Amino acid sequence: NAGVTQTPKFQVLKTGQSMTLQCAQDMNHNSMYWYRQDPGMGLRLIYYSASEGTTDKGEVPNGYNVSRLNKREFSLRLESAAPSQTSVYFCASQSRSGRASSYNSPLHFGNGTRLTVT
Amino acid sequence: DAKTTQPPSMDCAEGRAANLPCNHSTISGNEYVYWYRQIHSQGPQYIIHGLKNNETNEMASLIITEDRKSSTLILPHATLRDTAVYYCIVRGPYGGSQGNLIFGKGTKLSVKP
Repeated sequence: NAGVTQTPKFQVLKTGQSMTLQCAQDMNHNSMYWYRQDPGMGLRLIYYSASEGTTDKGEVPNGYNVSRLNKREFSLRLESAAPSQTSVYFCASQSRSGRASSYNSPLHFGNGTRLTVT
Repeated sequence: DAKTTQPPSMDCAEGRAANLPCNHSTISGNEYVYWYRQIHSQGPQYIIHGLKNNETNEMASLIITEDRKSSTLILPHATLRDTAVYYCIVRGPYGGSQGNLIFGKGTKLSVKP
């Protein structure tokens, strides 16, 4: 099992360009998340998808859109990149069955996409 | 979600136990304590979580005080590979955003030879 796979690993964009960060998981997890991490800070939630077909905003959604393409894939799109979006982006997945106990299941993270916007 | 307070950094000698404290004095009755770590340039890795009782797994032990206002993560025999940032997170069973984990700045643990 590859776990959570993110592509690309590195990306440089110019201000105003668009791009999509890809995330795929092979653990049959229902929930998926996108976080960003800036230097010296913890992770901040951008968007999440509790199950296939649903998405919701997290703490810092402005400037981003997401698509839960199917159960495996959850993509993050920057329509018009800005220097403030320079960050490391992490995707995570979680097994959630709908039972309350499953909300405590651990998140599994990918190894990140390092994005620089100039 | 309750906030947590952790020391920004700690050192530990290789082979010794690493005890990482976390204060969560505003924790409510149904909130869990989670620990994750992040080794340089990698995604966060789940370590352990608990509600009231002490927990142990193959990676670590979690000791939660009786009043639940603080906890300690114990790595029994720290190795150089345990050098990482350790995050203590408190979250209710449903979370503020469908189970969202709110990461603070964590404790940077440096294991030294």
